[in-house]
Amino acid sequence: KAGVTQTPRYLIKTRGQQVTLSCSPISGHRSVSWYQQTPGQGLQFLFEYFSETQRNKGNFPGRFSGRQFSNSRSEMNVSTLELGDSALYLCASSRQLGAEAFFGQGTRLTVV
Amino acid sequence: GESVGLHLPTLSVQEGDNSIINCAYSNSASDYFIWYKQESGKGPQFIIDIRSNMDKRQGQRVTVLLNKTVKHLSLQIAATQPGDSAVYFCAESPMDSNYQLIWGAGTKLIIKP
Repeated sequence: KAGVTQTPRYLIKTRGQQVTLSCSPISGHRSVSWYQQTPGQGLQFLFEYFSETQRNKGNFPGRFSGRQFSNSRSEMNVSTLELGDSALYLCASSRQLGAEAFFGQGTRLTVV
Repeated sequence: GESVGLHLPTLSVQEGDNSIINCAYSNSASDYFIWYKQESGKGPQFIIDIRSNMDKRQGQRVTVLLNKTVKHLSLQIAATQPGDSAVYFCAESPMDSNYQLIWGAGTKLIIKP
């Protein structure tokens, strides 16, 4: 069974640009969560989707948005990028809300 | 709430010794707890979980202990090996927060040869 796939793995963007990250969950998983991780910090929760609906949202500005498609694949978008948005963005999928989460390798975003 | 903190707590353990990583959780409504391991350059990986109706659960070389009275969770790793070097996160799933996983700040485990 394929794991959680995130694309791209690495990305370099300029301040002010926008970026879209993609996540394909494990087959059969309906919940997808997104996290931001900066060096030396834990996981900062962004949002969680279940059956195409956002069920939970973390404390991030409106520049961060996401969506989930009918096949459970998810995308997150960050507009008007700032230097502080440089981080590892992790996606996790699970069968149900709050269940064991399986993580992808992450997308390393660098904003210059 | 979500994990906070600029500096990860660090635990240094001699290879072969047992490691104990602690986690204080915040929500008495949490009924499911998970430990994750994150190696450098990788996403977190599931290690072991426990439900609130249990006090202890054992896996291969790992044991999780749950003390609901003081809202404390611990992960014990027996005979620590170099491959155990990683950051370890605990996560709780509270019933009253739509089951959103709430993450601890993480503990960095360093294995001394």
